[in-house]
Amino acid sequence: ELKVEQNPLFLSMQEGKNYTIYCNYSTTSDRLYWYRQDPGKSLESLFVLLSNGAVKQEGRLMASLDTKARLSTLHITAAVHDLSATYFCAVDIYGGSQGNLIFGKGTKLSVKP
Amino acid sequence: GAGVSQSPRYKVAKRGQDVALRCDPISGHVSLFWYQQALGQGPEFLTYFQNEAQLDKSGLPSDRFFAERPEGSVSTLKIQRTQQEDSAVYLCASSYSGLLQPQHFGDGTRLSIL
Repeated sequence: ELKVEQNPLFLSMQEGKNYTIYCNYSTTSDRLYWYRQDPGKSLESLFVLLSNGAVKQEGRLMASLDTKARLSTLHITAAVHDLSATYFCAVDIYGGSQGNLIFGKGTKLSVKP
Repeated sequence: GAGVSQSPRYKVAKRGQDVALRCDPISGHVSLFWYQQALGQGPEFLTYFQNEAQLDKSGLPSDRFFAERPEGSVSTLKIQRTQQEDSAVYLCASSYSGLLQPQHFGDGTRLSIL
């Protein structure tokens, strides 16, 4: 059974600090997605990581993928309050085309002044 | 609109009633997905369509759940004889068929079974 585990599940940060969210998965996959969800809202696509060693950056967020270690990281640089949200990683297990996404439980990030 | 549209946004039903949830995907998106998200959890896959073909329904929790997409566009998720454990947010997502495309999610339908 494929499992996707995120840690931490809850993260309280001060503005200006750096931190990393980890996403481990239990089966072979070379496609991993990061989404953001604000309370009561839907999921917004942040990053699509498609190969081993992939690194993508957008603003204060940077995501990477190590398929050999079955690990993805989401690094937050100099956090600001606007980044407060729940972040999900998801793995596509079909390989050939995008299909069934398996999500982690999410990391609820709270950035405090 | 340009995004995935779901209706209703909120649905309250008594246990035992049937409900129907609608999803209008982004125009031109071939793939359509339904997910169930319990409070404080990540979305869980229910079913997947490519055009009108339901290619995977392995995530549907019971035979009370039924989904269709008869013309390859709008999809309906139907839940018969609802039970309290069906209370959740039901998310619909669509994507342009092929590799490298993220799924675009609607705002969801929050279903509460009393």
